[in-house]
Amino acid sequence: GAGVSQSPSNKVTEKGKDVELRCDPISGHTALYWYRQSLGQGLEFLIYFQGNSAPDKSGLPSDRFSAERTGGSVSTLTIQRTQQEDSAVYLCASSLRGGQPQHFGDGTRLSIL
Amino acid sequence: GENVEQHPSTLSVQEGDSAVIKCTYSDSASNYFPWYKQELGKRPQLIIDIRSNVGEKKDQRIAVTLNKTAKHFSLHITETQPEDSAVYFCAAHFTGGGNKLTFGTGTQLKVEL
Repeated sequence: GAGVSQSPSNKVTEKGKDVELRCDPISGHTALYWYRQSLGQGLEFLIYFQGNSAPDKSGLPSDRFSAERTGGSVSTLTIQRTQQEDSAVYLCASSLRGGQPQHFGDGTRLSIL
Repeated sequence: GENVEQHPSTLSVQEGDSAVIKCTYSDSASNYFPWYKQELGKRPQLIIDIRSNVGEKKDQRIAVTLNKTAKHFSLHITETQPEDSAVYFCAAHFTGGGNKLTFGTGTQLKVEL
């Protein structure tokens, strides 16, 4: 597709379960970013992938969060042993390379019961 | 690390009036400044951006100005319309930070009829 695609669009799960969120960036974009947005809040950086370089994980809030990007394209964000404070919209963005305009997906709305 | 402050947090204007949102950044090495518009429940969308070698950029009713000496940049919307109502985020990018964007906390703009 032409834009960044994220799935699922909504995810409801019980506290303690693991969740996987998926991001399909725009074709040809080497940079991929994950952000978290709590209700009515700004965008919190989580992790950044650039080509084959080691990812910048400096924004991950705890070791329960991890992400990978396979083949330089699709990325998955995994949250283990989910907590209620993990409830938020998780946004993915991609750009041609770092420092270029970022294009966002529609996000995954994660609700932890 | 980079820090971006955004003001005001809420802004209400009458239709047809101008709206101005201001951001300051902390790192003088920042070189790219995008602005995003986010309507309720939707993805952030890039509306305009400016690089550090330019002082002003315009696109129809939207303009961005950059003052590198003072480390602040502003979004100007003229002849506001109800469809301009949204949350606006500024961001700053600096290469020393690993090519990620640091976002401001957002401005809720309401254009009243």
